[in-house]
Amino acid sequence: SSELTQDPAVSVALGQTVNITCQGDSLRRYYASWYQQKPGQAPELVIYRKNNRPSGIPDRFSASSSGNTASLTITGAQAEDEADYYCNSRDSGGNHLVFGGGTKLTVL
Amino acid sequence: QLQLQQSGPGLVRPSETLSLTCSVSGDSISSSDYYWGWIRQPPGKGLEWIGSIYYSGATYYNPSLRSRVTISVDTSKKQFSLRLSSVTAADTAVYYCTREVAATWSAPEIDYWGQGTLVTVSS
Repeated sequence: SSELTQDPAVSVALGQTVNITCQGDSLRRYYASWYQQKPGQAPELVIYRKNNRPSGIPDRFSASSSGNTASLTITGAQAEDEADYYCNSRDSGGNHLVFGGGTKLTVL
Repeated sequence: QLQLQQSGPGLVRPSETLSLTCSVSGDSISSSDYYWGWIRQPPGKGLEWIGSIYYSGATYYNPSLRSRVTISVDTSKKQFSLRLSSVTAADTAVYYCTREVAATWSAPEIDYWGQGTLVTVSS
């Protein structure tokens, strides 16, 4: 079982805003990063270090955190955003990485 | 531009040892700025961190796999490797080599991924 919990699936209408959440006790101490994975591809980092985007990631992707919950927000979702999204952080002990179970985002 | 090129067999027999290598180009594997790691993904399932290694040789392993995993680095060849012993069908997965930024311990950041290698455990 994962120390980080995500909703298995979320849907959003084209152009609307969607939040994908990640819960875990370790998030009170460590930040989450977020990865997008499309079918047949390796995951890609979309948010790191609280709310930073790598070069090439659209600014419609943002993140926030409160207590034991980290959130990825896509403002104005596009068809190409349909993918699996994973949060990642450290476990409670701090020495190991953990992933959430992933959220499948469907853009309607 | 960093590139991670994975190599290794796609089929391993049960009870044997899975071995994969990741070749690093475009940056120094001896940099103190990064950890080098492995992550796997069973078909249709989520991501599982296997472990990481620092250029110094310090290693960190997933507790659930610790007894079977060895990650090593060969700085002269600019490669790091994964060995997973006593494999079963449950180890069938796509295996990714990765680079993790070391400066952000409180905010893990995996900025590069290899292309992935599907390893099937079957007789």
